[in-house]
Amino acid sequence: EDQVTQSPEALRLQEGESSSLNCSYTVSGLRGLFWYRQDPGKGPEFLFTLYSAGEEKEKERLKATLTKKESFLHITAPKPEDSATYLCAVLTMDSNYQLIWGAGTKLIIKP
Amino acid sequence: DAGITQSPRHKVTETGTPVTLRCHQTENHRYMYWYRQDPGHGLRLIHYSYGVKDTDKGEVSDGYSVSRSKTEDFLLTLESATSSQTSVYFCAISASADGYTFGSGTRLTVV
Repeated sequence: EDQVTQSPEALRLQEGESSSLNCSYTVSGLRGLFWYRQDPGKGPEFLFTLYSAGEEKEKERLKATLTKKESFLHITAPKPEDSATYLCAVLTMDSNYQLIWGAGTKLIIKP
Repeated sequence: DAGITQSPRHKVTETGTPVTLRCHQTENHRYMYWYRQDPGHGLRLIHYSYGVKDTDKGEVSDGYSVSRSKTEDFLLTLESATSSQTSVYFCAISASADGYTFGSGTRLTVV
């Protein structure tokens, strides 16, 4: 069964303290892996798409990487405004544009 | 989000009553999706559409129906609302596999 697991469930960091969020997946064939950010009371906001192992993408303090089994979202010198829930999702080869979602990591950055 | 709106934003309804949620897009995207989001479960697909009058079930479709008579509108109907359908409902649109755009959500409470 295709599955996406995110860890940790929650992460509390001090402002400026870098860390990584993990998204591990077991799927029959990966077409793409997506990272989203979700703020309280809002819909998820698209961040990155990764398609193949070794690929990396960056946006401000965020960098997403992909291996054959997992993806990491690295957060460098985070600020309080980076606090949000980060969601990971995968699209498989045999899906019809249907994503498989992880449960998310709630990130809290303390000033 | 620009290009996709959900209505209503909040609704309280009684058990056993029918409820219809509306998703409207101005992007002319082919694919539209209805998700529910509950604590501990992440995003779960209810139904999706791949064109006008073309819809299919997701993983949690029982008790829900959908209709898409125009490209821009995708309606989700709870035929007889139950307390287990209390949730936040998100609509999403996509033109391709490269990322979804989500609406702001509808918070539904069934009492």
